[in-house]
Amino acid sequence: KAGVTQTPRYLIKTRGQQVTLSCSPISGHRSVSWYQQTPGQGLQFLFEYFSETQRNKGNFPGRFSGRQFSNSRSEMNVSTLELGDSALYLCASSLDEGPEAFFGQGTRLTVV
Amino acid sequence: QQQVKQSPQSLIVQKGGISIINCAYENTAFDYFPWYQQFPGKGPALLIAIRPDVSEKKEGRFTISFNKSAKQFSLHIMDSQPGDSATYFCAAMRAGNNRKLIWGLGTSLAVNP
Repeated sequence: KAGVTQTPRYLIKTRGQQVTLSCSPISGHRSVSWYQQTPGQGLQFLFEYFSETQRNKGNFPGRFSGRQFSNSRSEMNVSTLELGDSALYLCASSLDEGPEAFFGQGTRLTVV
Repeated sequence: QQQVKQSPQSLIVQKGGISIINCAYENTAFDYFPWYQQFPGKGPALLIAIRPDVSEKKEGRFTISFNKSAKQFSLHIMDSQPGDSATYFCAAMRAGNNRKLIWGLGTSLAVNP
């Protein structure tokens, strides 16, 4: 069974640009959550999608948005990039019946 | 404010020794407490998890001890091996349709051969 797949693995963007990250969950998992990981703040919850609906949202500005498609694949978008958005963005998928979250390898975003 | 506090920040253990990492939480609504292991360049991998109705859970060399009254839980790695060298994160989650994991800041474990 394939794990969680995140693309791309690495991205370098310029301040002010926007970026879209993609996440394909484990087959059969309908919940997808996104986290930001930085050395200073650790792992912080961005949002969770289930059946194409945002079910939970963390304390991030509106520049961070996401969506989920009917096949459970999810995308995350960050607009007007700031230097502080440089981080590892992690996607996790879960079965709706249990709390276990399984993570992808992440997308390393560098904003210059 | 940090709802899940993890200590120590870093830990060095000799091969064969016991690694102990501690976490404390504030929100009594949490009802799921996982531990994750993360190697450089990889995403966190679920190691072991516990619910508050259980005081201890063991899986191989990994054991979670849970103290509900003290709002603390810990990870014990028995017979630590160099391959266990990684960053370990504790986390907590509330019940219900809420998959928001609240994380500790991590412990960097180095196991010397």
